[in-house]
Amino acid sequence: GAVVSQHPSRVICKSGTSVKIECRSLDFQATTMFWYRQFPKQSLMLMATSNEGSKATYEQGVEKDKFLINHASLTLSTLTVTSAHPEDSSFYICSARDFGVSSTDTQYFGPGTRLTVL
Amino acid sequence: AQSVTQLGSHVSVSEGALVLLRCNYSSSVPPYLFWYVQYPNQGLQLLLKYTSAATLVKGINGFEAEFKKSETSFHLTKPSAHMSDAAEYFCAVRTGGFKTIFGAGTRLFVKA
Repeated sequence: GAVVSQHPSRVICKSGTSVKIECRSLDFQATTMFWYRQFPKQSLMLMATSNEGSKATYEQGVEKDKFLINHASLTLSTLTVTSAHPEDSSFYICSARDFGVSSTDTQYFGPGTRLTVL
Repeated sequence: AQSVTQLGSHVSVSEGALVLLRCNYSSSVPPYLFWYVQYPNQGLQLLLKYTSAATLVKGINGFEAEFKKSETSFHLTKPSAHMSDAAEYFCAVRTGGFKTIFGAGTRLFVKA
């Protein structure tokens, strides 16, 4: 089946620094990717929808300048947490939409990235 | 707006007992519904999905769910729980814009 990878799996950074998280679709082209955030013992909250070659669409309440999303190719989307603070510590999960001719328009999830801001 | 509500944040069953995780949805259009499982510090794994075909959907690891339009429900069941089933389970609905909206999750505990 289709695979979505995320890198890094874990990252620890100092407050005020920026962190980039990569999301890759490994065996299909994903024109649309999604970024979710999950706090401990809570559900996944959609942050933004990333479309290849265009600006991301952010959900209400998500700071665009804080969470920069770039979807520069059909297999890669990146989420950059700028000037990270401890409250940004969370589990970030991406997903990719496989809308190929032979697929059933399925959404695949990455393994997640644990961000800890000190 | 579409949404899902999972009844019970925690469910505890004995090994070998029936597993029943409840999910109710709200949707103005025929919904696509999903159940996902998440193990600690891992991503999501799709258990099963309903896409308007058969109302009884069979998934992986012995799980199944039945879509009941009259009750707006999509409960997840497994006849016999195994220790390895202990995890967090999420019910989800896909919107017309292909966004997936998740329920709050139900943590399943399996007692030996």
